[in-house]
Amino acid sequence: GAGVSQSPSNKVTEKGKDVELRCDPISGHTALYWYRQSLGQGLEFLIYFQGNSAPDKSGLPSDRFSAERTGGSVSTLTIQRTQQEDSAVYLCASQMAGGTYEQYFGPGTRLTVT
Amino acid sequence: GENVEQHPSTLSVQEGDSAVIKCTYSDSASNYFPWYKQELGKRPQLIIDIRSNVGEKKDQRIAVTLNKTAKHFSLHITETQPEDSAVYFCAATPYNTDKLIFGTGTRLQVFP
Repeated sequence: GAGVSQSPSNKVTEKGKDVELRCDPISGHTALYWYRQSLGQGLEFLIYFQGNSAPDKSGLPSDRFSAERTGGSVSTLTIQRTQQEDSAVYLCASQMAGGTYEQYFGPGTRLTVT
Repeated sequence: GENVEQHPSTLSVQEGDSAVIKCTYSDSASNYFPWYKQELGKRPQLIIDIRSNVGEKKDQRIAVTLNKTAKHFSLHITETQPEDSAVYFCAATPYNTDKLIFGTGTRLQVFP
């Protein structure tokens, strides 16, 4: 079946502009995560959605970052007033339920802020 | 909160040798420990996992061991092959949350 998809695959933007990154999780998966991965680095947790619960936003690095998940499916990560240090690959993952289930990652969006 | 430390950060081995990557965690109530492999330019994928009621699990050339008393778990790869070259991430799920906490990753290089 279809896996997790993300769009766009690449995004180049000028410093100060806003960007929106989209994630389409696997159908029926209740949990959705956003991670940031800088070049050669680990997986930095950003935000976690689980069903209808309030999202865990504890990983968002600043108030320029926000995310929403509409209808328990598609999620959008928005970065306002982008900075050069925001350049990274943004990965989305979905999970059947929380906790002890496999996370399925999308291909990521490579964001470059010039 | 849970903290997961992973060592070494880089590991180079000769083809055919074994590789071992170790992780420690801080929350004794954590109950699920997966390992993800990320090949260059690709997305992370689950390769093996273990739950807190099991001490060891094996899948062909890959095995994971868990020591709950010492709060550490390890990934063992035997008879390494060049295609094992990748970054490996360990993770832990604390009992009272649904969220995976990832280690910082180990870059494994297998030389032919």
